[in-house]
Amino acid sequence: TQLLEQSPQFLSIQEGENLTVYCNSSSVFSSLQWYRQEPGEGPVLLVTVVTGGEVKKLKRLTFQFGDARKDSSLHITAAQPGDTGLYLCAGVFWAGSYQLTFGKGTKLSVIP
Amino acid sequence: EAQVTQNPRYLITVTGKKLTVTCSQNMNHEYMSWYRQDPGLGLRQIYYSMNVEVTDKGDVPEGYKVSRKEKRNFPLILESPSPNQTSLYFCASSLDITSYEQYFGPGTRLTVT
Repeated sequence: TQLLEQSPQFLSIQEGENLTVYCNSSSVFSSLQWYRQEPGEGPVLLVTVVTGGEVKKLKRLTFQFGDARKDSSLHITAAQPGDTGLYLCAGVFWAGSYQLTFGKGTKLSVIP
Repeated sequence: EAQVTQNPRYLITVTGKKLTVTCSQNMNHEYMSWYRQDPGLGLRQIYYSMNVEVTDKGDVPEGYKVSRKEKRNFPLILESPSPNQTSLYFCASSLDITSYEQYFGPGTRLTVT
């Protein structure tokens, strides 16, 4: 299993602030996904990045895949209470067949 | 509506009493998997299935069994549950095994006493 390190583990910010969550590995991934999970529910896919250096935007969320395809970041602009949740990154890699590994997640709380 | 369903959503049982958690998807996905989620450990894959009659172990398969007799269903079986299997379980499915973009079920919270 390839290891994905997410940081920070916990993040508590005021509404309106910006934040960045990081997902790092020493391994190369063929693609990387970001999910958001709310309490009592299953994770929901936000985005998939495939190309090194790729940047994708989803409203106030900006996702970036590192040039070497070993790391990714999620930046939220002007956070809102509705952004509260657990953010998970997941990397797809080849190990004889395609495999998927998850980071442990970043728990975000946005305080009104 | 495209979805993954799991039943039951909540289950309290005793050590050693066999149980099955069902999972069904209506998206004609080939790939399905089971995860458990524990505080501080994140999501860990238990078993996965690339297609009907094809299953393989994930990271934490001990104490679990699965079967994939039909494309839409992927039940998780605990033959003799133990307290260390108390956890939140998620089933997921994916159309494409190369992109692995997964749709998750709502979760099953299992408590083994």
